[in-house]
Amino acid sequence: KNQVEQSPQSLIILEGKNCTLQCNYTVSPFSNLRWYKQDTGRGPVSLTIMTFSENTKSNGRYTATLDADTKQSSLHITASQLSDSASYICVVSGPTGGQNFVFGPGTRLSVLP
Amino acid sequence: GAVVSQHPSRVICKSGTSVKIECRSLDFQATTMFWYRQFPKQSLMLMATSNEGSKATYEQGVEKDKFLINHASLTLSTLTVTSAHPEDSSFYICSASPGTGGARAYGYTFGSGTRLTVV
Repeated sequence: KNQVEQSPQSLIILEGKNCTLQCNYTVSPFSNLRWYKQDTGRGPVSLTIMTFSENTKSNGRYTATLDADTKQSSLHITASQLSDSASYICVVSGPTGGQNFVFGPGTRLSVLP
Repeated sequence: GAVVSQHPSRVICKSGTSVKIECRSLDFQATTMFWYRQFPKQSLMLMATSNEGSKATYEQGVEKDKFLINHASLTLSTLTVTSAHPEDSSFYICSASPGTGGARAYGYTFGSGTRLTVV
């Protein structure tokens, strides 16, 4: 069964600290993996996308890694800011995209001053 | 980049009435759009796939007569919640993507969502 698991479920850190969120998946066939940031009451916004052959992708203070062999991905946030408080969702898709999206449950990150 | 606009962002309606939610691709054409529902502290659940010029494809357990989808143009899909009840209160989100060929099936850009409250 295609599944995406994320850990931790929630995380609280102080402003300025770094953190790493984890995503494990069993989706097959695999097309790409995306990390989204979803603010409360808003739609998800794409942070990074990685295909099978990519190991790392950065977007500002966000760096995602992918190990397609172990089917694991991580999202590292550097020098966290209060505005980073949101849910971070790992989405793995098959070849036809939206019809084969498998959503992780998300990690709820709270950045405190 | 690709922008998906969703309207309204919030709507409150009385039980028994119908509500229409619009999803527009602003700078690209979208043959396929997707509609999701999200309950508090839960992830998105795919409700249906909206196909331009043809009938929508609904996920198992989603009532097609309750959630009417119309995709009359390459830039607009609408979701109408008919005879709304309090249990229909939720956060509804659409997604779409530009692309050619098989990529048209992708739905990587999400709208900003619509918070529906039925009283």
